[in-house]
Amino acid sequence: GAVVSQHPSRVICKSGTSVKIECRSLDFQATTMFWYRQFPKQSLMLMATSNEGSKATYEQGVEKDKFLINHASLTLSTLTVTSAHPEDSSFYICSAKAGGGTGELFFGEGSRLTVL
Amino acid sequence: GENVEQHPSTLSVQEGDSAVIKCTYSDSASNYFPWYKQELGKRPQLIIDIRSNVGEKKDQRIAVTLNKTAKHFSLHITETQPEDSAVYFCAAPFGGATNKLIFGTGTLLAVQP
Repeated sequence: GAVVSQHPSRVICKSGTSVKIECRSLDFQATTMFWYRQFPKQSLMLMATSNEGSKATYEQGVEKDKFLINHASLTLSTLTVTSAHPEDSSFYICSAKAGGGTGELFFGEGSRLTVL
Repeated sequence: GENVEQHPSTLSVQEGDSAVIKCTYSDSASNYFPWYKQELGKRPQLIIDIRSNVGEKKDQRIAVTLNKTAKHFSLHITETQPEDSAVYFCAAPFGGATNKLIFGTGTLLAVQP
């Protein structure tokens, strides 16, 4: 099956700093990737849809200036959490579809962010 | 709006019993319904999915049923085993061409040996 790799798997940072998370599709091209956020014992909440070569589409309530998404190539999307605060601590998971239209979503391993 | 409701939130069964988890969705245009299993600290793993042109799909001990008229779909696990213990999420697509997946609230399944 298709493989999505996410890095780093864990990151600890100080308040006020920025953290970048990378999401790569290893064996397929992904024109669209999705970024989710998951708090403990909660569901996956869609943050934004990352579109290759264009601006990301953010879900209601997600601050685009705080969560910067860049999708510069067909195999890489990045999420940068800017000026991180403790409340940003969460599990961030990216995903991508292999092929167009409705299809299986492949997830990265997830990145656990802890902001001190 | 974009909404996927999932019940129950927790489910405890004895090993060998069946488990059923139900979801309802709001967008009548949704046409793909996956179920994911997530173990603690891990990524969600697709366990079964169904498209809107069929009413039921089965894969060994796992089955999914779909009622498009009522806009609900269910996951059925038979002969449950302790390793089935995990959080299960349903999902449905919204948004037309992008088909972004919106997830249900999750069900924590505990299979007691």
